[in-house]
Amino acid sequence: DAGVIQSPRHEVTEMGQEVTLRCKPISGHDYLFWYRQTMMRGLELLIYFNNNVPIDDSGMPEDRFSAKMPNASFSTLKIQPSEPRDSAVYFCASSPGRWTEAFFGQGTRLTVV
Amino acid sequence: GQQVMQIPQYQHVQEGEDFTTYCNSSTTLSNIQWYKQRPGGHPVFLIQLVKSGEVKKQKRLTFQFGEAKKNSSLHITATQTTDVGTYFCAGYPRETSGSRLTFGEGTQLTVNP
Repeated sequence: DAGVIQSPRHEVTEMGQEVTLRCKPISGHDYLFWYRQTMMRGLELLIYFNNNVPIDDSGMPEDRFSAKMPNASFSTLKIQPSEPRDSAVYFCASSPGRWTEAFFGQGTRLTVV
Repeated sequence: GQQVMQIPQYQHVQEGEDFTTYCNSSTTLSNIQWYKQRPGGHPVFLIQLVKSGEVKKQKRLTFQFGEAKKNSSLHITATQTTDVGTYFCAGYPRETSGSRLTFGEGTQLTVNP
């Protein structure tokens, strides 16, 4: 397996634009997590899914952020409109079951100017 | 909500010295996990501890889980330059039926050759 795959690896966009980050979890994994990493706030859990269903989105900063998982092999995190303070590295991770280890993708480095 | 705290935030050592990072959770955990993130990389799973008072070793790394399942430590004996990176603890809360994996702030280790 190729591991968790995220795209794009880098994204530079202007304030106000829509940004979509993509993630392909490891096949067979039931859980998918979206994290945001910044120097100030560390690794923040934004949302996680179990069997494609969003379970806990309490970490989503505000209504500008939305996440979907239309099927077991694909998830998106969308920011609309984007703001400079959204600049961060966004990680997607998947795990095979409840309370198990998380496998992280390479991350998407987002810069909003 | 659940909080996971780590100290110290930064640690600089000379190669050959020992290193310890400590992790404390505000709530009882079902298990504790440790991850390592190299500069510019993504978090990589190291180990999981499940039982109260559990101790596990991986070569020069020793991991402990507290009796109350609220704290943990990672100790590295005789650090090497390959140990450079940020070490995170992460835990799943025991009290809920969910699977929210919360990370500590991490301890950034630098090793001077």
